[in-house]
Amino acid sequence: QVQLVESGGDVVQPGGSLRLSCAASGFAFTSYGFHWVRQAPGKGLEWVAFLRQDGINKWYSDSVRGRFTISRDTSQNTVYLQMNSLGAEDTAVYFCAKRPLGSTYYFEYWGQGVLVTVSS
Amino acid sequence: QTVVTQEPSFSVSPGGAVTLTCGLTSGSVSTSFYPSWYQQTPGQTPRTLIYNTYTRSSGVPDRFSGSILGNKAALTITGAQAEDESDYYCVLYVDTGVWVFGGGTKLTV
Repeated sequence: QVQLVESGGDVVQPGGSLRLSCAASGFAFTSYGFHWVRQAPGKGLEWVAFLRQDGINKWYSDSVRGRFTISRDTSQNTVYLQMNSLGAEDTAVYFCAKRPLGSTYYFEYWGQGVLVTVSS
Repeated sequence: QTVVTQEPSFSVSPGGAVTLTCGLTSGSVSTSFYPSWYQQTPGQTPRTLIYNTYTRSSGVPDRFSGSILGNKAALTITGAQAEDESDYYCVLYVDTGVWVFGGGTKLTV
């Protein structure tokens, strides 16, 4: 069955960096695109980044572009989110989500999420 | 910047019907935005309910349905149950590689 397991959440100081991981299993990893979606405490969901199944094309929300980088390691079936220049506004639970195949544009499967806290 | 709108809150009586909507501050929502809907209870992972405007995700009860109503996407729950009390989020695919969530609707049953 499809599994997405996030890790790497931590408490980090403002201005610091952190890398999140999303380990995928149960499907052909290289055939799918992946998202990162976040949710600040008590707030709604926010789309953050998308990596297309080619592993090359990437898109970001305005709030993280230039600071965050999405990538993947096909040998580890893992998607990453490298987060730099973190601020308090980046405090959130970060979810990894898988995009389905074909001309359809939604979040098919979700991981359980990982908490990132930016605080001094 | 694209802003997706949802009602902040809604209330429905058990057994009743409710329609939640998903709009744009500028323009109309159509099937070309591939609207999708997600249910989330506090502290839990979002659950995919509806995608491609109308299609129910696997295992989703048929009391949930998606549509386009006027210039908005809509999620209708008919025969609401206590377990449907959750937050509901819509998402629109607004440009190549870009998705935008609505602010969510807190549904009370």
